[in-house]
Amino acid sequence: GQQVMQIPQYQHVQEGEDFTTYCNSSTTLSNIQWYKQRPGGHPVFLIQLVKSGEVKKQKRLTFQFGEAKKNSSLHITATQTTDVGTYFCATDSWGKLQFGAGTQVVVTP
Amino acid sequence: GAVVSQHPSWVICKSGTSVKIECRSLDFQATTMFWYRQFPKQSLMLMATSNEGSKATYEQGVEKDKFLINHASLTLSTLTVTSAHPEDSSFYICSLYLQGSLQTQYFGPGTRLLVL
Repeated sequence: GQQVMQIPQYQHVQEGEDFTTYCNSSTTLSNIQWYKQRPGGHPVFLIQLVKSGEVKKQKRLTFQFGEAKKNSSLHITATQTTDVGTYFCATDSWGKLQFGAGTQVVVTP
Repeated sequence: GAVVSQHPSWVICKSGTSVKIECRSLDFQATTMFWYRQFPKQSLMLMATSNEGSKATYEQGVEKDKFLINHASLTLSTLTVTSAHPEDSSFYICSLYLQGSLQTQYFGPGTRLLVL
């Protein structure tokens, strides 16, 4: 099946700074989804990208899908303490989600 | 969006006992639901696909006789961990699949299982 590699595994960010997490695949993806999981919680859907080169924004979050549909990124600007959690990318194949390893984000005030 | 509930949220049991976890779709018919497992500090791994009215399909490496799935109605799927052992301790999460919608997956709040 399709595998998505996600980096970095950990991200320590000072409040107010920006950071980016990346997902890469060796094969072309039909879609990429992003989730946020707070400590102790369940994954919460953020967005789905399906088009080559697609860029979507949600307030301080910017999601991109690469032109070749083999990579994706999530960029967060002006990080806040509420951004703490683990961010996962995932690809959906007929409902089955294959998750990346996740980027655990720690925010220091 | 869809609302999915899970019960119980926490369960502690002795080794050798069986534990049943319920996953309910509260406002959508759920012909297909999925069960995931997440070990501490790890990602989510798909265990099985739960199909209403038919047998579940399991991912490679998941023992179907150990993780029994029943999906007898359009709103309820259950996962039973039979003869649980400490290595089965994990976070079990179900999801509702809504094909064709902008958001295709709705996760339940999860069940933390600790086997002593």
